[in-house]
Amino acid sequence: DAGVTQSPTHLIKTRGQQVTLRCSPKSGHDTVSWYQQALGQGPQFIFQYYEEEERQRGNFPDRFSGHQFPNYSSELNVNALLLGDSALYLCASSLGPGLAYSYEQYFGPGTRLTVT
Amino acid sequence: GQQVMQIPQYQHVQEGEDFTTYCNSSTTLSNIQWYKQRPGGHPVFLIQLVKSGEVKKQKRLTFQFGEAKKNSSLHITATQTTDVGTYFCAGGSGNTPLVFGKGTRLSVIA
Repeated sequence: DAGVTQSPTHLIKTRGQQVTLRCSPKSGHDTVSWYQQALGQGPQFIFQYYEEEERQRGNFPDRFSGHQFPNYSSELNVNALLLGDSALYLCASSLGPGLAYSYEQYFGPGTRLTVT
Repeated sequence: GQQVMQIPQYQHVQEGEDFTTYCNSSTTLSNIQWYKQRPGGHPVFLIQLVKSGEVKKQKRLTFQFGEAKKNSSLHITATQTTDVGTYFCAGGSGNTPLVFGKGTRLSVIA
């Protein structure tokens, strides 16, 4: 039973560039959430996708966008990268219609993004 | 907006000593979840508490949810080197995203 997978593992980008991160949820899960984790901080919620729609969004600018595909996999896109976007980006999957309080989340290994 | 605070930020203990981390929310929670993140790893779900005053145990770990559903604690008895990592609480409030605390980093000295 495959867990949550993310690609790439590491990424180095330059300010102003755009990046796409990918996530495949745990088998049987239909909801994907994305988090940003800065060094020494807890994960911060970016947004959540269910049934190919963005269901909830955290306090992140429109430069952060996403997509969910029919097979439940998801992408996170960040445009016009800033130095402050350097962080570990975590994808978490769960089973359920996006209700934060009900379902444990299975996190992937993350993508370490460095913006120079 | 909702804030979740954890103390202490760091804790260094000798192997065999007990450890406790505390989590406090600025608002009443529907539930609280606890995660563990090993160095260089990703958060791993430990447990969820939903009832006022709830206490759950997992081997040497004891989790409590406050009566007012605004605070929680994780207590580890007789720490081992395998307990090393950062422990996060994450509070849920209605149909809103989980809010994670900054975590407590536990170091265990053998």
